[in-house]
Amino acid sequence: QQQVKQSPQSLIVQKGGISIINCAYENTAFDYFPWYQQFPGKGPALLIAIRPDVSEKKEGRFTISFNKSAKQFSLHIMDSQPGDSATYFCAARTGTASKLTFGTGTRLQVTL
Amino acid sequence: DTEVTQTPKHLVMGMTNKKSLKCEQHMGHRAMYWYKQKAKKPPELMFVYSYEKLSINESVPSRFSPECPNSSLLNLHLHALQPEDSALYLCASSRKAMTSGGTNTGELFFGEGSRLTVL
Repeated sequence: QQQVKQSPQSLIVQKGGISIINCAYENTAFDYFPWYQQFPGKGPALLIAIRPDVSEKKEGRFTISFNKSAKQFSLHIMDSQPGDSATYFCAARTGTASKLTFGTGTRLQVTL
Repeated sequence: DTEVTQTPKHLVMGMTNKKSLKCEQHMGHRAMYWYKQKAKKPPELMFVYSYEKLSINESVPSRFSPECPNSSLLNLHLHALQPEDSALYLCASSRKAMTSGGTNTGELFFGEGSRLTVL
């Protein structure tokens, strides 16, 4: 029940294309869903986060879509750039928990 | 630049050595965390300190010993490690670990990590 399933494991997108990463969860008590971006040799950095009372959140080229009934959420990267090449982790937690449950990660490569 | 500072960035140690990893934040956060990350895997929670008290220990072997001297500092003492302990050790902080009414934003700030190699 604590798992967050993430797909795909890896993704290759051409520059200017749309990158889409999907996550699904089982625990209906989760109420905070962040996405982290991690470059090689660096720690994860919060990219964007959403709460289940909204269906979409956009920050620049990054958008989270949230489907509460399906227990799924996704990250869309518009106009993908080579600098977006990194590993992306979705995560989830409950409001009273100290523990983030991470997805397995998606390695994104944006080609020229 | 991250506001969570970890030292050293790289550490190589033998199985009989004693070493420490250090973490510092000056954001006024009252929760601090140690995570372990193996290659191509997500971070795994090891310990959580809330208001300088250990609140979560994820069944971590005793060869890892955390210490929180004050609200800005977090140490991880290492002793008699095994080669399989080689990993990236990440420190993180958040405004607070547990809610006491209201909403916990849950935002974790990670450091850049300490890359540990055990020979």
